[in-house]
Amino acid sequence: NAGVTQTPKFQVLKTGQSMTLQCAQDMNHEYMSWYRQDPGMGLRLIHYSVGAGITDQGEVPNGYNVSRSTTEDFPLRLLSAAPSQTSVYFCASGQVSYNSPLHFGNGTRLTVT
Amino acid sequence: TQLLEQSPQFLSIQEGENLTVYCNSSSVFSSLQWYRQEPGEGPVLLVTVVTGGEVKKLKRLTFQFGDARKDSSLHITAAQPGDTGLYLCAGAQGGKLIFGQGTELSVKP
Repeated sequence: NAGVTQTPKFQVLKTGQSMTLQCAQDMNHEYMSWYRQDPGMGLRLIHYSVGAGITDQGEVPNGYNVSRSTTEDFPLRLLSAAPSQTSVYFCASGQVSYNSPLHFGNGTRLTVT
Repeated sequence: TQLLEQSPQFLSIQEGENLTVYCNSSSVFSSLQWYRQEPGEGPVLLVTVVTGGEVKKLKRLTFQFGDARKDSSLHITAAQPGDTGLYLCAGAQGGKLIFGQGTELSVKP
């Protein structure tokens, strides 16, 4: 069972570079989301999607773009990386229901120098 | 400003002790979930509470949802080293799941 797969696991970028964090799920979940995790801050929601073609902003969307062209994939794009975006990024998926659990990937550790 | 405030942020106890972690907010949530996260992995769901006043038990863990659905607590009885990890509460609001800062628990043998 693959579940939620994130790539890459680790990435180092220089300030100003761009990159895409990949997320794929094989559970046919309509809901997908991206969080960043920083020490003492818990998980903060960046963007989320309730289905293909639909995306919305979370708590900290600035500097990040998303798109949802298929149910399975939800990539996160950093257009011009900044040191403040150094973090661990988690992708999660679930059913579109307020009491459904989220299934998380194992994260991407990003360092921006 | 954190929508969900967890306390304490850090907890270091001896094996066999009891502990309680709190998750508080001024907002009402449709449901509240508790997750546990180990180093290098994503969070994993422990429980979901939906009804105000609801109590759920998972072996030595007891979860309670406040009557007004604004707060929750997690109580662990006779903690064991295997309980060590980051505990996160998350509230469902407006189609989104918002997390608290987390409680880092260390249980020493």
